[in-house]
Amino acid sequence: EPEVTQTPSHQVTQMGQEVILRCVPISNHLYFYWYRQILGQKVEFLVSFYNNEISEKSEIFDDQFSVERPDGSNFTLKIRSTKLEDSAMYFCASSDRVTAFFGQGTRLTVV
Amino acid sequence: QKEVEQDPGPLSVPEGAIVSLNCTYSNSAFQYFMWYRQYSRKGPELLMYTYSSGNKEDGRFTAQVDKSSKYISLFIRDSQPSDSATYLCAMRTNNAGNMLTFGGGTRLMVKP
Repeated sequence: EPEVTQTPSHQVTQMGQEVILRCVPISNHLYFYWYRQILGQKVEFLVSFYNNEISEKSEIFDDQFSVERPDGSNFTLKIRSTKLEDSAMYFCASSDRVTAFFGQGTRLTVV
Repeated sequence: QKEVEQDPGPLSVPEGAIVSLNCTYSNSAFQYFMWYRQYSRKGPELLMYTYSSGNKEDGRFTAQVDKSSKYISLFIRDSQPSDSATYLCAMRTNNAGNMLTFGGGTRLMVKP
């Protein structure tokens, strides 16, 4: 069964460092997303991407964040200068026109 | 008022019980309603989705949507210990590719 894959599964970084989280969406999907979940809290939308551009973003997705689809398969989230409060699970998702499927997540720990 | 509300639980039931999980929402533009299951520190796994009002059944799972009350439910029949997880409701508008808005999740524990 097709699935969304994310790497790494766990990333520890120092405050102020840049991190890149990587995702391989399901191959025939057209819509791609990043969500995050701070421990014990709701899954929160960050950004959606369609047709090689951002289609929607939340207030969380400020100038520190960027997304890219550098080739036909990968989808990345970059955090330019990490803060302690960026520590969370980051989930990539992809969607056909109806339902979104999520990856297993990257646990980001900022120290 | 939060956009999507869900009782956090935990909800503890004996094996074999019928479980009812619920969400309320405020945005009348929501048209697609999903239920995801999430194990600890894992990604949400799609269980079912429903479009607009009505019922949908898949094995032991039944999803109901009542748009007039802005209330959705997931019923699990003959619950198993392996059903122990956090159940997330999520919903979106009719625009393809639109973001999902999640409830906070209900933690379910099914005791053998």
